[in-house]
Amino acid sequence: EAEVAQSPRYKITEKSQAVAFWCDPISGHATLYWYRQILGQGPELLVQFQDESVVDDSQLPKDRFSAERLKGVDSTLKIQPAELGDSAMYLCASSLGYGGQGNSPLHFGNGTRLTVT
Amino acid sequence: SQQGEEDPQALSIQEGENATMNCSYKTSINNLQWYRQNSGRGLVHLILIRSNEREKHSGRLRVTLDTSKKSSSLLITASRAADTASYFCAQTQGGSEKLVFGKGTKLTVNP
Repeated sequence: EAEVAQSPRYKITEKSQAVAFWCDPISGHATLYWYRQILGQGPELLVQFQDESVVDDSQLPKDRFSAERLKGVDSTLKIQPAELGDSAMYLCASSLGYGGQGNSPLHFGNGTRLTVT
Repeated sequence: SQQGEEDPQALSIQEGENATMNCSYKTSINNLQWYRQNSGRGLVHLILIRSNEREKHSGRLRVTLDTSKKSSSLLITASRAADTASYFCAQTQGGSEKLVFGKGTKLTVNP
């Protein structure tokens, strides 16, 4: 079964440093999502792409976070500078459907566990 | 913001028993989805139930939806140790297409 690929699996960085995460969705999936999951909580949406366009980034802290999906395939999420409160699991997901999240199941990668020291 | 609330927060049962988890939400929904997450891994989609459906089955899983009470339940029958995981419900809020997850129920199935 096709999977969503994420790297790195774990990342430890010092505060004020830059960090980047990469995601390769399932082939043919138009919609890509980045979620952040704090330990003991549910995932919270940071940004949603449809092809290469951002359709929802209302919860993305734009002063320090950026995301891109230049060719409408793989995606990069960057944090600069990292803060202690950014320690969390960063999950990428993709879905087949257009037109919103609610009608197609999401397929998640195994995430990047970020620790900021 | 988290729309749904799962109940209980944690559940511990013996292998072979049934496990029931509940999800309540606040606003009207288009559909509701359940996901499972093993420790340190990504989420896996289990079932999607639409707002005009009342019950749905998949293998040992049964999901019910009561839109008048704004609640859903997930029943896992004849549980196995491999069912140990966190279970999340998620909904699209009102007129928004954003999928919002609850805080989850942590299920432990003891062998």
